[in-house]
Amino acid sequence: GQQLNQSPQSMFIQEGEDVSMNCTSSSIFNTWLWYKQDPGEGPVLLIALYKAGELTSNGRLTAQFGITRKDSFLNISASIPSDVGIYFCAGLPRGANSKLTFGKGITLSVRP
Amino acid sequence: DAGITQSPRYKITETGRQVTLMCHQTWSHSYMFWYRQDLGHGLRLIYYSAAADITDKGEVPDGYVVSRSKTENFPLTLESATRSQTSVYFCASSSGTPNTGELFFGEGSRLTVL
Repeated sequence: GQQLNQSPQSMFIQEGEDVSMNCTSSSIFNTWLWYKQDPGEGPVLLIALYKAGELTSNGRLTAQFGITRKDSFLNISASIPSDVGIYFCAGLPRGANSKLTFGKGITLSVRP
Repeated sequence: DAGITQSPRYKITETGRQVTLMCHQTWSHSYMFWYRQDLGHGLRLIYYSAAADITDKGEVPDGYVVSRSKTENFPLTLESATRSQTSVYFCASSSGTPNTGELFFGEGSRLTVL
């Protein structure tokens, strides 16, 4: 089946720093999405990308849909303590019955 | 504005027992999904439903049964629970048709099978 690769499994940064995460696949996706999961809660959609090369921002978050359609990037600028959580990438291939595939997630810790 | 709710939030059961996890959404979304979250595996799709009375298998369907007689409800049943089904289960819904990937998740149901 399709797999999305996210690494490293954990990241530790200092408050105020910028952080970048990427997600890669051997398969082509039609839609890339980034979700964040706070401790004890369900994931929440941060950004959705629908077009190769698309760059989209949501506050301090910026995400890009890779030109090859096989990768996506998420940047968080000026991190704050509430950025702590698990960040999942997800990809949706073309097709009416296509299923969303999630990466294994990156756990982000922010030191005050 | 209830959104999507799951019950129970926590459940402890024994091997071999039947367990049903409930999921209810108030948005009339077409798509509903069940995922399980385990360390090292991320989120894996168990079953999904594109509409009432339409269900399909996901990545890890074995040992689970779903039904969707009404648009708003999508219960997940473990017919004979096993220890390997200890996990956190998330229900999600999506309004797009076809599936847009934009999911709204419930808060999760943590299941422990002893």
